[in-house]
Amino acid sequence: ETGVTQSPTHLIKTRGQQVTLRCSSQSGHNTVSWYQQALGQGPQFIFQYYREEENGRGNFPPRFSGLQFPNYSSELNVNALELDDSALYLCASSLRVAGGTDTQYFGPGTRLTVL
Amino acid sequence: AQSVTQLDSQVPVFEEAPVELRCNYSSSVSVYLFWYVQYPNQGLQLLLKYLSGSTLVKGINGFEAEFNKSQTSFHLRKPSVHISDTAEYFCAVSRWGNQGGKLIFGQGTELSVKP
Repeated sequence: ETGVTQSPTHLIKTRGQQVTLRCSSQSGHNTVSWYQQALGQGPQFIFQYYREEENGRGNFPPRFSGLQFPNYSSELNVNALELDDSALYLCASSLRVAGGTDTQYFGPGTRLTVL
Repeated sequence: AQSVTQLDSQVPVFEEAPVELRCNYSSSVSVYLFWYVQYPNQGLQLLLKYLSGSTLVKGINGFEAEFNKSQTSFHLRKPSVHISDTAEYFCAVSRWGNQGGKLIFGQGTELSVKP
């Protein structure tokens, strides 16, 4: 196990609702990245947070937003849910150091179903 | 921009047989390369990574991969597979100098090991 935890494990929402997913980083890590994995697809990068600021964003609309807290845990918020938002949401933590950043380690994911 | 192509969506193989999962990438800059494994209903686990140096990389569970810059490939191999190796395997890249940054994944290869 990586030490990265996510909650909840499963979630069912209806179209138009809002959802918050949570991630606790591995001890000693200061960077959190979020990915969306649709069924049968590879994960797609949503965004990354470092020192409580967004540090890179993929091709996702603004209704996908996030936060990182002083203890390096993180939240992913999705507003105005759409059916296509149904996916496994993966959080990955890593350690950014001078000259680069360590490898990303993934949590077990949150399975979101939008009806 | 970078992209990753996993050439086989499904690879069936018998137990104790050798296996190769193929991965090609495209990038205008140098990259780091990774292989992750995903067991059913779980997150991603790092198998191995290539950062620099020797082009033959050894990972966990007896897997190894070889980086071929001229062919822009990073194929994953195991000389003898077990039933427990049945899983989805993902090849991924990130930009050189940004190891912990945005990961770009392939579509995945489903390895099915039969007795």
